[in-house]
Amino acid sequence: QVQLQESGPGLVKPSETLSLTCTVSDGSISSYSWTWIRQPPGKGLEWIGYIYYSGSTSYNPSLKSRVTISVDTSKNQFSLDLYSVTAADTAVYYCAKGGGFGEAWGQGTLVTVSS
Amino acid sequence: SYVLTQPPSVSVAPGKTARITCGGNNIGSKSVHWYQQKPGQAPVLVIYYDSDRPSGIPERFSGSNSGNTATLTISRVEAGDEADYYCQVWDSSSDHAFGTGTKVTVL
Repeated sequence: QVQLQESGPGLVKPSETLSLTCTVSDGSISSYSWTWIRQPPGKGLEWIGYIYYSGSTSYNPSLKSRVTISVDTSKNQFSLDLYSVTAADTAVYYCAKGGGFGEAWGQGTLVTVSS
Repeated sequence: SYVLTQPPSVSVAPGKTARITCGGNNIGSKSVHWYQQKPGQAPVLVIYYDSDRPSGIPERFSGSNSGNTATLTISRVEAGDEADYYCQVWDSSSDHAFGTGTKVTVL
């Protein structure tokens, strides 16, 4: 069973860029799609976007102008950049295996946007 | 964007059957996936493509999808099934959409 682990700063200042990395272990990142999902405290899930191992991407239209998802197959990692963040971007961020649905998830990492 | 509506809460006695609905316009034409999320934990996939179960998910979990409603059914409910449940679909207008979530309480 593939394992996923999110990493990155837990605190980001408003207007700056939120950057997270997901490391995939016990499996290759190749031949699959990989997804980012977030969950504001006490609220529901929001799909951010996904990337195919070849590099093609699909983003949530509501976030598309501020999001970049990239993949590094040599490191078995994929990453999320969310630009110009505000307090509304405070959430637990999850990475997951799969593009159509999340068949395996990381434990999640809380990112707080605050000065 | 595509809206998925779930009841905020469902209560069920142990050993009984819980049914969680997910309403959406012509949802029967889409593939629906279901997740279980316990407090402080990441979601876990329990049903994919309307009615398929991942390995390790008990047969007590089943799914159906028709018309404007998809349903997750949990038979012989156990205390350990108490959690939040989310449906999810892919729609060309909004890519992936999640339902509003349903809190299942085992009485």
